[in-house]
Amino acid sequence: GDSVTQMEGPVTLSEEAFLTINCTYTATGYPSLFWYVQYPGEGLQLLLKATKADDKGSNKGFEATYRKETTSFHLEKGSVQVSDSAVYFCALSEKGAGNMLTFGGGTRLMVKP
Amino acid sequence: SAVISQKPSRDICQRGTSLTIQCQVDSQVTMMFWYRQQPGQSLTLIATANQGSEATYESGFVIDKFPISRPNLTFSTLTVSNMSPEDSSIYLCSVEGGEQGSDTQYFGPGTRLTVL
Repeated sequence: GDSVTQMEGPVTLSEEAFLTINCTYTATGYPSLFWYVQYPGEGLQLLLKATKADDKGSNKGFEATYRKETTSFHLEKGSVQVSDSAVYFCALSEKGAGNMLTFGGGTRLMVKP
Repeated sequence: SAVISQKPSRDICQRGTSLTIQCQVDSQVTMMFWYRQQPGQSLTLIATANQGSEATYESGFVIDKFPISRPNLTFSTLTVSNMSPEDSSIYLCSVEGGEQGSDTQYFGPGTRLTVL
Protein backbone atom coordinates (compact mmCIF):
# COMPACT_ATOMS: atom_id res chain seq x y z
CA GLY A 1 0.00 0.00 0.00
CA ASP A 2 0.87 3.66 -0.12
CA SER A 3 3.16 5.14 2.51
CA VAL A 4 4.92 8.38 3.37
CA THR A 5 8.15 8.66 5.35
CA GLN A 6 9.37 11.90 6.88
CA MET A 7 12.49 12.74 8.79
CA GLU A 8 11.96 12.52 12.50
CA GLY A 9 12.04 15.61 14.60
CA PRO A 10 12.28 17.75 16.39
CA VAL A 11 14.24 19.96 14.06
CA THR A 12 15.66 22.94 15.94
CA LEU A 13 16.96 25.92 13.98
CA SER A 14 17.93 29.48 14.65
CA GLU A 15 15.97 32.27 13.01
CA GLU A 16 17.00 32.91 9.37
CA ALA A 17 18.49 29.43 8.99
CA PHE A 18 17.80 27.26 5.95
CA LEU A 19 15.20 24.54 6.40
CA THR A 20 14.90 21.14 4.75
CA ILE A 21 12.42 18.51 5.87
CA ASN A 22 12.81 15.29 3.91
CA CYS A 23 9.80 13.35 2.63
CA THR A 24 9.78 10.22 0.50
CA TYR A 25 6.79 8.21 -0.62
CA THR A 26 5.70 4.85 -1.97
CA ALA A 27 2.68 4.72 -4.24
CA THR A 28 1.29 2.40 -6.88
CA GLY A 29 0.08 5.12 -9.22
CA TYR A 30 0.68 8.81 -9.74
CA PRO A 31 -0.27 10.57 -6.54
CA SER A 32 -0.73 14.20 -5.69
CA LEU A 33 1.65 15.33 -2.95
CA PHE A 34 0.98 17.76 -0.13
CA TRP A 35 2.55 19.52 2.80
CA TYR A 36 0.27 20.45 5.69
CA VAL A 37 1.24 22.53 8.72
CA GLN A 38 -0.22 22.30 12.22
CA TYR A 39 0.46 25.24 14.50
CA PRO A 40 0.22 24.66 18.26
CA GLY A 41 -3.35 23.98 19.34
CA GLU A 42 -4.77 24.25 15.84
CA GLY A 43 -5.97 21.99 13.04
CA LEU A 44 -4.14 21.25 9.81
CA GLN A 45 -3.65 23.89 7.15
CA LEU A 46 -2.69 23.15 3.58
CA LEU A 47 0.75 24.65 2.95
CA LEU A 48 1.41 23.59 -0.63
CA LYS A 49 0.79 20.83 -3.15
CA ALA A 50 2.06 19.39 -6.42
CA THR A 51 0.14 17.11 -8.74
CA LYS A 52 2.69 15.78 -11.22
CA ALA A 53 6.38 15.14 -11.71
CA ASP A 54 8.66 18.21 -11.66
CA ASP A 55 5.86 20.44 -10.37
CA LYS A 56 6.96 22.85 -7.67
CA GLY A 57 4.53 23.85 -4.98
CA SER A 58 5.21 27.07 -3.09
CA ASN A 59 3.58 29.20 -0.40
CA LYS A 60 4.74 31.59 2.33
CA GLY A 61 8.39 31.14 1.29
CA PHE A 62 8.17 27.34 1.48
CA GLU A 63 8.84 25.22 -1.60
CA ALA A 64 8.73 21.53 -2.51
CA THR A 65 9.41 19.84 -5.86
CA TYR A 66 7.72 16.60 -6.94
CA ARG A 67 10.63 14.30 -7.82
CA LYS A 68 9.32 11.12 -9.41
CA GLU A 69 12.77 9.63 -10.00
CA THR A 70 13.60 9.76 -6.30
CA THR A 71 9.97 9.53 -5.06
CA SER A 72 10.58 12.58 -2.91
CA PHE A 73 8.86 15.84 -1.98
CA HIS A 74 11.26 17.62 0.36
CA LEU A 75 10.11 20.84 2.00
CA GLU A 76 12.52 23.81 1.96
CA LYS A 77 12.58 27.38 3.15
CA GLY A 78 15.48 29.74 2.75
CA SER A 79 15.09 31.70 5.98
CA VAL A 80 12.86 30.45 8.79
CA GLN A 81 11.13 32.62 11.35
CA VAL A 82 10.05 31.93 14.90
CA SER A 83 6.46 31.94 13.63
CA ASP A 84 7.24 28.91 11.46
CA SER A 85 7.48 26.75 14.58
CA ALA A 86 4.91 24.02 14.02
CA VAL A 87 4.47 20.39 13.02
CA TYR A 88 4.75 19.70 9.30
CA PHE A 89 3.05 16.72 7.65
CA CYS A 90 3.83 15.32 4.22
CA ALA A 91 0.93 13.48 2.58
CA LEU A 92 -0.15 11.88 -0.65
CA SER A 93 -3.45 11.28 -2.36
CA GLU A 94 -4.02 8.61 -5.00
CA LYS A 95 -6.62 9.47 -7.60
CA GLY A 96 -7.96 5.95 -7.75
CA ALA A 97 -8.32 5.61 -3.98
CA GLY A 98 -11.18 8.03 -3.38
CA ASN A 99 -8.67 10.81 -2.79
CA MET A 100 -7.85 9.31 0.58
CA LEU A 101 -4.88 11.03 2.22
CA THR A 102 -1.94 9.03 3.52
CA PHE A 103 0.15 11.01 6.03
CA GLY A 104 3.73 10.84 7.12
CA GLY A 105 4.53 10.84 10.82
CA GLY A 106 5.00 14.59 11.06
CA THR A 107 8.12 16.64 11.81
CA ARG A 108 8.18 19.19 14.60
CA LEU A 109 10.10 22.36 13.77
CA MET A 110 11.28 24.67 16.52
CA VAL A 111 12.80 28.00 15.52
CA LYS A 112 14.71 29.93 18.17
CA PRO A 113 15.23 33.68 18.06
CA SER B 1 -11.46 27.02 0.39
CA ALA B 2 -14.36 25.83 2.53
CA VAL B 3 -14.76 27.12 6.08
CA ILE B 4 -15.10 24.21 8.47
CA SER B 5 -16.15 24.42 12.10
CA GLN B 6 -16.23 21.73 14.76
CA LYS B 7 -18.03 21.50 18.09
CA PRO B 8 -16.96 21.11 20.78
CA SER B 9 -13.42 22.41 20.43
CA ARG B 10 -12.39 20.37 23.45
CA ASP B 11 -13.95 18.22 26.14
CA ILE B 12 -13.02 16.18 29.16
CA CYS B 13 -15.16 13.07 29.56
CA GLN B 14 -15.53 10.18 31.95
CA ARG B 15 -14.76 6.60 31.04
CA GLY B 16 -17.77 4.72 29.66
CA THR B 17 -19.61 7.79 28.35
CA SER B 18 -20.08 8.89 24.74
CA LEU B 19 -19.36 12.16 22.98
CA THR B 20 -20.78 13.41 19.69
CA ILE B 21 -18.61 15.75 17.64
CA GLN B 22 -20.20 18.01 15.03
CA CYS B 23 -18.63 19.18 11.80
CA GLN B 24 -20.23 22.01 9.82
CA VAL B 25 -19.11 23.24 6.39
CA ASP B 26 -20.11 26.52 4.79
CA SER B 27 -20.66 24.94 1.36
CA GLN B 28 -22.06 21.70 0.00
CA VAL B 29 -19.50 18.91 -0.27
CA THR B 30 -19.82 15.34 -1.45
CA MET B 31 -17.28 13.63 0.76
CA MET B 32 -16.38 14.30 4.36
CA PHE B 33 -13.65 12.52 6.28
CA TRP B 34 -13.02 11.88 9.96
CA TYR B 35 -9.49 11.49 11.32
CA ARG B 36 -7.97 10.71 14.69
CA GLN B 37 -4.68 12.18 15.86
CA GLN B 38 -3.39 10.48 18.97
CA PRO B 39 -1.01 12.48 21.20
CA GLY B 40 2.24 13.20 19.38
CA GLN B 41 1.18 11.09 16.41
CA SER B 42 0.16 11.59 12.82
CA LEU B 43 -3.38 11.44 11.47
CA THR B 44 -5.23 8.20 10.92
CA LEU B 45 -8.38 8.06 8.80
CA ILE B 46 -11.36 6.70 10.71
CA ALA B 47 -14.00 6.77 7.98
CA THR B 48 -15.32 8.47 4.88
CA ALA B 49 -18.86 9.84 5.01
CA ASN B 50 -20.97 10.41 1.92
CA GLN B 51 -24.40 11.97 2.17
CA GLY B 52 -27.17 9.42 1.85
CA SER B 53 -25.08 6.30 2.36
CA GLU B 54 -23.38 4.40 5.14
CA ALA B 55 -19.95 5.61 6.15
CA THR B 56 -16.97 3.57 4.98
CA TYR B 57 -14.67 2.62 7.85
CA GLU B 58 -10.95 1.98 7.69
CA SER B 59 -9.31 -1.09 9.13
CA GLY B 60 -9.31 -1.00 12.91
CA PHE B 61 -12.39 1.23 13.22
CA VAL B 62 -15.95 -0.06 13.58
CA ILE B 63 -19.37 1.54 13.40
CA ASP B 64 -20.37 0.47 16.90
CA LYS B 65 -17.48 2.42 18.39
CA PHE B 66 -17.52 5.38 16.00
CA PRO B 67 -21.02 5.83 14.56
CA ILE B 68 -21.19 8.58 11.94
CA SER B 69 -24.14 10.51 10.59
CA ARG B 70 -24.25 12.52 7.38
CA PRO B 71 -27.77 13.96 7.13
CA ASN B 72 -26.99 16.56 4.44
CA LEU B 73 -24.22 17.98 2.29
CA THR B 74 -22.94 20.47 4.88
CA PHE B 75 -22.98 18.54 8.15
CA SER B 76 -21.69 15.38 9.77
CA THR B 77 -21.31 13.98 13.27
CA LEU B 78 -18.89 11.47 14.75
CA THR B 79 -19.73 9.77 18.04
CA VAL B 80 -17.02 8.25 20.19
CA SER B 81 -18.87 5.57 22.17
CA ASN B 82 -18.13 3.90 25.48
CA MET B 83 -14.95 5.92 25.84
CA SER B 84 -11.74 4.80 27.49
CA PRO B 85 -8.53 6.77 28.14
CA GLU B 86 -7.10 5.30 24.93
CA ASP B 87 -9.65 7.39 23.01
CA SER B 88 -7.97 10.59 24.18
CA SER B 89 -7.04 12.24 20.88
CA ILE B 90 -7.73 15.12 18.57
CA TYR B 91 -10.55 14.29 16.18
CA LEU B 92 -10.60 16.20 12.90
CA CYS B 93 -13.06 16.35 10.06
CA SER B 94 -12.07 17.31 6.55
CA VAL B 95 -13.66 17.93 3.19
CA GLU B 96 -12.27 17.77 -0.29
CA GLY B 97 -12.53 20.21 -3.12
CA GLY B 98 -12.38 23.97 -3.41
CA GLU B 99 -10.09 26.12 -5.48
CA GLN B 100 -7.14 23.71 -5.15
CA GLY B 101 -9.05 20.88 -6.77
CA SER B 102 -10.94 17.78 -5.77
CA ASP B 103 -7.79 15.95 -4.67
CA THR B 104 -7.14 18.45 -1.88
CA GLN B 105 -8.60 18.16 1.62
CA TYR B 106 -9.27 20.99 4.02
CA PHE B 107 -9.45 20.39 7.73
CA GLY B 108 -11.52 21.67 10.58
CA PRO B 109 -9.85 23.01 13.74
CA GLY B 110 -10.23 19.69 15.54
CA THR B 111 -11.84 18.50 18.76
CA ARG B 112 -9.43 17.75 21.59
CA LEU B 113 -10.85 14.92 23.68
CA THR B 114 -9.50 13.83 27.05
CA VAL B 115 -10.97 10.73 28.67
CA LEU B 116 -10.38 10.25 32.40
